[in-house]
This record gives sequence, structure tokens and C-alpha cells, in this order.
Amino acid sequence: DTAVSQTPKYLVTQMGNDKSIKCEQNLGHDTMYWYKQDSKKFLKIMFSYNNKELIINETVPNRFSPKSPDKAHLNLHINSLELGDSAVYFCASSLSTLGQKGPYGYTFGSGTRLTVV
Amino acid sequence: AQSVTQLDSHVSVSEGTPVLLRCNYSSSYSPSLFWYVQHPNKGLQLLLKYTSAATLVKGINGFEAEFKKSETSFHLTKPSAHMSDAAEYFCVVSPYTGTASKLTFGTGTRLQVTL
Repeated sequence: DTAVSQTPKYLVTQMGNDKSIKCEQNLGHDTMYWYKQDSKKFLKIMFSYNNKELIINETVPNRFSPKSPDKAHLNLHINSLELGDSAVYFCASSLSTLGQKGPYGYTFGSGTRLTVV
Repeated sequence: AQSVTQLDSHVSVSEGTPVLLRCNYSSSYSPSLFWYVQHPNKGLQLLLKYTSAATLVKGINGFEAEFKKSETSFHLTKPSAHMSDAAEYFCVVSPYTGTASKLTFGTGTRLQVTL
């Protein structure tokens, strides 16, 4: 069983298109994240949701809109894709309750490689 | 505010020799520190974590790291490198901020293992 699964694994699309990346976790975690890894391998947090509520929203263009229908899912929708959006996007989840393994234990998905042409 | 600096972007070792990947951090809070590994075209895997317990932390695959507050360092070591250790390694710092924790990643160190 995959703990954190992202779909699709690869996504190639043209500039100006709108696309979505889906993430699901079956760990019972209540906090989920989106991270972006650029071409230099640097990872930066984009968003975090706790129990479907947005709690971290870094300086990200408003073309990016996360949606969490329930605490096991966090999707990322991107409008009007630009060349600079090409990157690997990682979904992650964690337990956020004090005294448990999280938030010090994060589980990452295997990433979605987005290429905008 | 917090940050993490990985001092080497690329490290090359021979198989069977020791590995040292260096990491320095800064944090306004008592930090939690992690090392993650990313093999080519794979996701991130947690190697080990420090969360204010023992300062010498043992992880998977024979890796360990020592938290040194006086030096603000959290270097990753392994006594004997294996070919399968070739990957990208990320040092990560996180404060505890209640219901959400924000990880700050270093820029990564690529470990090359040669015969």
C-alpha cells in the first residue's frame, strides 16, 4: 500500500493550459503539504492544510490553488501554466498532534514532474 | 526564522570509505533536524531525525548524525559507503509551531560513490 500517492507521475503540457495534480494519503494524518522542487533540487513549501483548513500559504502566484475535499486528499490546481512552473511537485503528510511521531515525521509522495513547453 | 546550509554541493567517495555530509543550521526555536535522501527519479525518504532527545541519532542504512548545538551543526556520517548510497541528500530544519510545521530544506548534497 502506497502511503502518499500522487497522480500523475509525469505531466507534460503547453503554456497557458490548466492542470491538476492529485494527492492522497492513507496514513490517517491530518496535515498535508505541497512542496516545489526546482531544477537546482531546492525544495520550498507552497501550501499546508490541516483538517481541510489552509494553514500555510507561502508566496505563491494565485494561479496555484490547493483544494482539500477531506483530510486524506490535497489537490493542486494550476491555471495558465508558465514555463517557470516546470518543476517536481511533492505532496507530503504528517501527524500534527503533540506527543506523537508527527509533526516530526513526514511522509512524502514520489513526486510529479511537471514540464511546461 | 530558520535556515540550513549544506556546505558541499557534491561529495565523491570510494566504496568502503567513510562518508561525511556537512550541514549547519540556524533557528530561532529549538529545532528539529532531519536528513532525507532522494534517489534518482524517486521520492524523498527519511534517513533520520533529531527531536531534542539523544544528540547522536542513528538512522537507516547505517547512517548517523550528531546534533552539536555549540557548532549549530548536524553532519551526516556513515563508516563505509556502498554503491547504493549514491543519491541526493537533504538536510532539513523545522521548528515546532503547533499544529503545523514548516520544513526548510537545504540545497542538497549529491553523493557519488566510486569503485
